[in-house]
Amino acid sequence: EAGVAQSPRYKIIEKRQSVAFWCNPISGHATLYWYQQILGQGPKLLIQFQNNGVVDDSQLPKDRFSAERLKGVDSTLKIQPAKLEDSAVYLCASSFPSKKGPWETQYFGPGTRLLVL
Amino acid sequence: AQTVTQSQPEMSVQEAETVTLSCTYDTSENNYYLFWYKQPPSRQMILVIRQEAYKQQNATENRFSVNFQKAAKSFSLKISDSQLGDTAMYFCASSSYNTDKLIFGTGTRLQVFP
Repeated sequence: EAGVAQSPRYKIIEKRQSVAFWCNPISGHATLYWYQQILGQGPKLLIQFQNNGVVDDSQLPKDRFSAERLKGVDSTLKIQPAKLEDSAVYLCASSFPSKKGPWETQYFGPGTRLLVL
Repeated sequence: AQTVTQSQPEMSVQEAETVTLSCTYDTSENNYYLFWYKQPPSRQMILVIRQEAYKQQNATENRFSVNFQKAAKSFSLKISDSQLGDTAMYFCASSSYNTDKLIFGTGTRLQVFP
């Protein structure tokens, strides 16, 4: 079974530029998550999708960050304009659609490492 | 709001020995889940073990086991017979019963020496 795919793996941009990250979840996983992991910290959830609908985006800085999952499969996370403090690893994860009973495991992608200069 | 605290930034252990990583959490909910995730240097996070708070029995997965102390809000991870491949960052995390949102601690970097 293929895992969660992310691209690019690395990105270096200058502040005020824009950048986009792509994620393709495991086939059949309707729930998709984007996390931000700043160096020395644990991942922080930015946004969660159920199919193509947003479940939780309470920690997404909406003035500069946006995300979409138009067809309920792959997703794009965009930052515009980027700030120095956006330097981090952006992790995508996915899990099975329905949670009835035990909670479903989240499967993580390899992440995109962003450096903003 | 849920919080997770890992007070050990770094730990080291010799191969074949046992090591325990500490984690404390805070939540106002009665039903919740606790997790340990491993993040090797390649950075792909994988689930090591999980515990449902309403189960008193400690979870075990091969060489990995937890010591879940609900009253003390403590959730430590014990790695037995440590192997070089166990070298990684270990994150403790929690989620409430009604949401998939994971709250992570700051992690413990474990180095296994030959």
